[in-house]
Amino acid sequence: QSVLTQPPSASGTPGQRVTISCSGSSSNIGSNNVNWFQHLPGTAPKLLIYRSNQRPSGVPDRFSGSKSGTSASLAISGLQSEDEADYYCEAWDDSLNGNVFGTGTKVTVL
Amino acid sequence: EVQLVESGGGLVQPGGSLRLSCAASGFTFSNYDMSWVRQAPGKGLEWVSTITGSGDGTFYADPVKGRFTASRDNSKNTLYLQMNSLRGEDTALYHCARNWGAWGKGTTVTVSS
Repeated sequence: QSVLTQPPSASGTPGQRVTISCSGSSSNIGSNNVNWFQHLPGTAPKLLIYRSNQRPSGVPDRFSGSKSGTSASLAISGLQSEDEADYYCEAWDDSLNGNVFGTGTKVTVL
Repeated sequence: EVQLVESGGGLVQPGGSLRLSCAASGFTFSNYDMSWVRQAPGKGLEWVSTITGSGDGTFYADPVKGRFTASRDNSKNTLYLQMNSLRGEDTALYHCARNWGAWGKGTTVTVSS
């Protein structure tokens, strides 16, 4: 049972903006950075955002991250068909003394 | 090019053991913390364990604490996960990751009689 809660699904038409939330607590998001991953089941997950709002080289600037208090968000602007995937947030939890992943959000491009 | 290749998965009976390996290349292995993350069928990503670059620190998720042991051989650029007392709920695709910018494709563990 994950301590980081995400909506199970999100969708949009090509070109639209989609936002995914990640709700945590003071022991994880409230006191640590958040990472975001894109994942197609059965393949290697891909790091999209690190340290809450930083993009690794090669990740399009359509992807952006933010954090406020005990919540974080991933925004995908200019939605494209190849963005259909599962998205996960992740953070270190000081109380659990370990990493925690969010429940995951499936993004569908209509 | 950074590469992580897992091996060692397979079918094992409940209560059995397996040792997973993750061969790393393309970076200075000892400089990075490494993790194991799994995905059970139809479920989301679940963090399993992290080991520090030197190997002197290990962290485990509660469901595997006391049963799984992470280790590494920096001279061989290899990460390991020793899994004992395996249960059905350990059935999953196991990925190794270089926290968190690189991941392997995973190796499948199936625990069933």
